[in-house]
Amino acid sequence: AQKVTQAQTEISVVEKEDVTLDCVYETRDTTYYLFWYKQPPSGELVFLIRRNSFDEQNEISGRYSWNFQKSTSSFNFTITASQVVDSAVYFCALSDTNNNDMRFGAGTRLTVKP
Amino acid sequence: SAVISQKPSRDICQRGTSLTIQCQVDSQVTMMFWYRQQPGQSLTLIATANQGSEATYESGFVIDKFPISRPNLTFSTLTVSNMSPEDSSIYLCSVLGGSLASTDTQYFGPGTRLTVL
Repeated sequence: AQKVTQAQTEISVVEKEDVTLDCVYETRDTTYYLFWYKQPPSGELVFLIRRNSFDEQNEISGRYSWNFQKSTSSFNFTITASQVVDSAVYFCALSDTNNNDMRFGAGTRLTVKP
Repeated sequence: SAVISQKPSRDICQRGTSLTIQCQVDSQVTMMFWYRQQPGQSLTLIATANQGSEATYESGFVIDKFPISRPNLTFSTLTVSNMSPEDSSIYLCSVLGGSLASTDTQYFGPGTRLTVL
């Protein structure tokens, strides 16, 4: 069975601080996809990144970076120099490569205070 | 401009009534999905909307309660039937394929916020 765990329910930081959101997953599949989505207060789900299981390279996109560690089944997300606009709920998700079984974590609510 | 649109964006409904939510995509897509997000919770897949055939429902969701249509490759509807306050949620459609960047990624519509009194 596929499972995604986001142990941090809520995180609060002050603007310009760095923050890491944790994601741990379980799967029996040898190939799979991992995702991060952002859900701002308006409610829409915004796609941030997809990572294939065979690609363990870390990725950086502006202030965002992702650390994929297959050995620990983790796919953590770091925001550098956080901003108030980063305040949202962030979801980590896991799917098979056919996208037939996508599972979301419980989400982490990030609040960035000015 | 929005690639995936949903109507209505929000609604307040009375217990026992039904609401149909529409999801429109600006290009043909291979797969469409419907999710429910209860207040303060994560997303749960309701069903995969199959073009030209019955939807495939996840455990805990049934066609009588959540009938789904998908008449073509750009449009789908989800009906929430005989509503109760427990149905108060955000309902989101998502798609694979089409004009969006990747066919391996689900992209989501803006959601429909439903409140049942």
